[in-house]
Amino acid sequence: AQSVSQHNHHVILSEAASLELGCNYSYGGTVNLFWYVQYPGQHLQLLLKYFSGDPLVKGIKGFEAEFIKSKFSFNLRKPSVQWSDTAEYFCAVNDYGNNRLAFGKGNQVVVIP
Amino acid sequence: EAQVTQNPRYLITVTGKKLTVTCSQNMNHEYMSWYRQDPGLGLRQIYYSMNVEVTDKGDVPEGYKVSRKEKRNFPLILESPSPNQTSLYFCASSRTGTGSSYEQYFGPGTRLTVT
Repeated sequence: AQSVSQHNHHVILSEAASLELGCNYSYGGTVNLFWYVQYPGQHLQLLLKYFSGDPLVKGIKGFEAEFIKSKFSFNLRKPSVQWSDTAEYFCAVNDYGNNRLAFGKGNQVVVIP
Repeated sequence: EAQVTQNPRYLITVTGKKLTVTCSQNMNHEYMSWYRQDPGLGLRQIYYSMNVEVTDKGDVPEGYKVSRKEKRNFPLILESPSPNQTSLYFCASSRTGTGSSYEQYFGPGTRLTVT
């Protein structure tokens, strides 16, 4: 079954700093990739997704992610974070064989004003 | 408004007292799923349903039951809750199963505490 790794579970940074969160999945083939965000006390919302085509995907709120097939990676980036980006971020990969989304353990990001 | 709803949002109960958490979606989605979220473990799938009357186990099904009698509803049943089921539960739905490209929409979550 597909598995997803997210490193640096806790990230603390100042406003205007750049953010990059890593995501690696375990095996290739056709994949659909997602980043979800969970603001404090809220449910998961889709940030961006990759299905096919341009490997550089742009999402909401200035986030982007790059799919690198050779590295089994789908890293999330934002050039300049704001306090409102404080949230938990989850990478997810579809697991075709098991009809499920495999989630990483999440990155807790705290942005200090 | 397209949404996934869950009830209750918060629940405190005692060990062994049967409970049901309801989940409903108004998007005519075929696929529905239950997850539990625990600190440091991310989201783990409990059960999923590809369509009415079709359900299957996820990663952590022990201690849970589900049913899918109608397309819009997918209740999660804890027949005899135990303290290790204290968690935050999310219901999600998508147009079809994740064999396709469709994203999942999540409900607001149910915070369950079993004492």
